Amino acid sequence: QLQLQESGPGLVKPSETLSLTCTVSGGSISSRTYYWGWIRQPPGKGLEWIGSIYYSGSTYYNPSLKSRVTISIDTSKNQFSLRLSSVTAADTAVYYCATCSGYGSGFDIWGQGTLVTVSS
Amino acid sequence: SYVLTQPPSVSVAPGKTARITCGGDNIGTKSVYWYQQKPGQAPVLVISYDTDRPSGIPERFSGSNSGNTATLTISRVEAGDEADYYCQVWDSSSDHVVFGGGTKLTVL
Repeated sequence: QLQLQESGPGLVKPSETLSLTCTVSGGSISSRTYYWGWIRQPPGKGLEWIGSIYYSGSTYYNPSLKSRVTISIDTSKNQFSLRLSSVTAADTAVYYCATCSGYGSGFDIWGQGTLVTVSS
Repeated sequence: SYVLTQPPSVSVAPGKTARITCGGDNIGTKSVYWYQQKPGQAPVLVISYDTDRPSGIPERFSGSNSGNTATLTISRVEAGDEADYYCQVWDSSSDHVVFGGGTKLTVL
């Protein structure tokens, strides 16, 4: 059974880069079955898709964040990562990593989420 | 970009049926996914591909999708169903994931 776990700093300063890693256990990140994604949720608000990546390295980004987002995959560590540059207070949110069992399917496995606060 | 519209809130008495809608342009041509999120927890997929229930999801949860509206139906509502519910599609024309704004289900 796949399990996902987010890790990274809980506090980031404005204008800096937010970096998070999602560690996959119970399966291979190189599997052709899965797409890997990042979703965030500002306090008291709804879910926002940030982007997704396939094992081949193909990426898909939310157009509203595309200029600031990079999602990458490290098959040697069974991890995928999120970098969000030039953060502001509006980027304060719980960040989730999740996986879809195929192109265009729903996110059927989620990490527990990690709160990232942007503040000086 | 593609937009999904959900009512902010739905209220229902225990034992009754709750219906949560998700509106989108020709949404009936897309696969719709529904998530349940309880406070402080990660979302849980409750309906996949419009109508399919993942393993472990009660039969009380069902989905439909036609025209411009997809619907999540919860039968015989229980207090434990009180949560936020989100619809989601994959917009294949742009290769983007889109979430609805979410609906808070209150069990009276």
